[in-house]
Amino acid sequence: AQSVTQLDSHVSVSEGTPVLLRCNYSSSYSPSLFWYVQHPNKGLQLLLKYTSAATLVKGINGFEAEFKKSETSFHLTKPSAHMSDAAEYFCVSGGYNKLIFGAGTRLAVHP
Amino acid sequence: DVKVTQSSRYLVKRTGEKVFLECVQDMDHENMFWYRQDPGLGLRLIYFSYDVKMKEKGDIPEGYSVSREKKERFSLILESASTNQTSMYLCASSARLARPYEQYFGPGTRLTVT
Repeated sequence: AQSVTQLDSHVSVSEGTPVLLRCNYSSSYSPSLFWYVQHPNKGLQLLLKYTSAATLVKGINGFEAEFKKSETSFHLTKPSAHMSDAAEYFCVSGGYNKLIFGAGTRLAVHP
Repeated sequence: DVKVTQSSRYLVKRTGEKVFLECVQDMDHENMFWYRQDPGLGLRLIYFSYDVKMKEKGDIPEGYSVSREKKERFSLILESASTNQTSMYLCASSARLARPYEQYFGPGTRLTVT
């Protein structure tokens, strides 16, 4: 069965420092993988998606993620955090009719 | 611009009441979904629909039902609300032929059952 594990429930960084949000997946086949972001009182917004075309995926707002099959990981990174990046981030595995969500990582950004 | 709207942002209901949550999408999408979001649990799928009048159970359908009479509208029904159904409810839609399976989400309805 598919599952997604986000390794940190909370991450705190200083503005201008790198961001790393970790995600591991399990799947018996090559999955589609996504990162979604949810700002307070807002709906979920797609940050980026992996579709097997390229292992390094670039998304919006300077985020990117690398698919590593050998490690079954899809970690989200950003070189320099901005205050507006404070939000909850979800790693998601997708199939034809279903999305499997991780539990979420809340990112705090301090001045 | 893609749009999924939900009828209420906040709702307070009493135990035992029948509750309707409405979702409308304007993208002519075939697929629509209802999730609930709880802290530490991420989003869990309640029901989905891939066509008018069609529905499929998700991971946690107990205590819920759905209705899809028109393509653009998908309703979630709590027949007799209970306090353990206090949660954030999110609606989503996607195109049938979307690859990969990308869903668009509404802003959510925060339901409190007292």
